[in-house]
Amino acid sequence: DVKVTQSSRYLVKRTGEKVFLECVQDMDHENMFWYRQDPGLGLRLIYFSYDVKMKEKGDIPEGYSVSREKKERFSLILESASTNQTSMYLCASSQDNRKAYSNQPQHFGDGTRLSIL
Amino acid sequence: DQQVKQNSPSLSVQEGRISILNCDYTNSMFDYFLWYKKYPAEGPTFLISISSIKDKNEDGRFTVFLNKSAKHLSLHIVPSQPGDSAVYFCAASAYGNQFYFGTGTSLTVIP
Repeated sequence: DVKVTQSSRYLVKRTGEKVFLECVQDMDHENMFWYRQDPGLGLRLIYFSYDVKMKEKGDIPEGYSVSREKKERFSLILESASTNQTSMYLCASSQDNRKAYSNQPQHFGDGTRLSIL
Repeated sequence: DQQVKQNSPSLSVQEGRISILNCDYTNSMFDYFLWYKKYPAEGPTFLISISSIKDKNEDGRFTVFLNKSAKHLSLHIVPSQPGDSAVYFCAASAYGNQFYFGTGTSLTVIP
């Protein structure tokens, strides 16, 4: 089974702090994703990465950055946390469709509930 | 603009009956569709998928139907069980690895 592990289930930080959310997957997946989930808005893509040291902006990248130094690890960084970044953050990974020769689902971690005070 | 829409935020069904969850999409380039199930305080779990070359895919109690002309997707759960109570998200992708998610439908199965 695919295992996507997010470092914290719950996190409380203060406005202006730099916040790091870590995600590790154990299936040698090429693709990794960061989403946030808010009531009534579903899952919105923040950033994704198709390979080590590669990153692409998603739909809502403002206020966030990412780092992928190793294939199995994808970090989300809140440069200067603000209260509107209070949310559930979900990390996902998937095998590259081209390598698998078929469409591949994304597999999610259990999420980090982040509160910014 | 939301490319994948789930217009029913919630649904209640009696145990043993059929649950039908609906999803509409706007992008005709979407070729792969999935349903995820999410319990509170857990991440979404992949449930079932369908490729655009098919119009139906079954896996046990779960069946997904795809109507490409109507740009409509539905998930049928038969028979519904209390353990099926969760939030269900549909998602779609177009020839690639990025998915677009709906806003979710909260299903409650009443014992």
